[in-house]
Amino acid sequence: DAGITQSPRHKVTETGTPVTLRCHQTENHRYMYWYRQDPGHGLRLIHYSYGVKDTDKGEVSDGYSVSRSKTEDFLLTLESATSSQTSVYFCAITDEGDTQYFGPGTRLTVL
Amino acid sequence: GQQVMQIPQYQHVQEGEDFTTYCNSSTTLSNIQWYKQRPGGHPVFLIQLVKSGEVKKQKRLTFQFGEAKKNSSLHITATQTTDVGTYFCAHNTNAGKSTFGDGTTLTVKP
Repeated sequence: DAGITQSPRHKVTETGTPVTLRCHQTENHRYMYWYRQDPGHGLRLIHYSYGVKDTDKGEVSDGYSVSRSKTEDFLLTLESATSSQTSVYFCAITDEGDTQYFGPGTRLTVL
Repeated sequence: GQQVMQIPQYQHVQEGEDFTTYCNSSTTLSNIQWYKQRPGGHPVFLIQLVKSGEVKKQKRLTFQFGEAKKNSSLHITATQTTDVGTYFCAHNTNAGKSTFGDGTTLTVKP
């Protein structure tokens, strides 16, 4: 498996609190992605990055922000968590923008 | 963006039976990728197809890309309990973004 980790792996938080999820890679890959996975919706792209400080929105970006200050780290922030953001979050990386390697996922519950 | 529709959503088979999942698009795709996600796990890349009419095999798995490059299929021959999971197709755009189908969840009864 590609060297990609996510932290935390599980988190329970309350509505209205800020939450930051971290994705860390050791592959020096250019592209990094954040997806959420919900039953019946497959994988939906939240934000992605094509280089340090270069990010763009995906199809479900409302309520989320990202930052990438180093090649190896891609952070996903929920400024004020809502129950609709309860989901499993996957980070993925790719070298030339094709085959994606996924992290183990973070299960987030917003009460 | 280009969407890929995947059917069926669920498939239950008896061990030893065959299984097929289909991926369809209304527009021509430059490529199609397939991923497998085991229960509780993360998606894992299986294969990428790029040529019209392309067929690739991996042991009991056969992947096809349609002649018009608007559809693809994954066929598993003689399913085993290790095949359980959700199979996703995905299309990768030039911008490095992928659009995933909603997946087909396969359960195999021993």
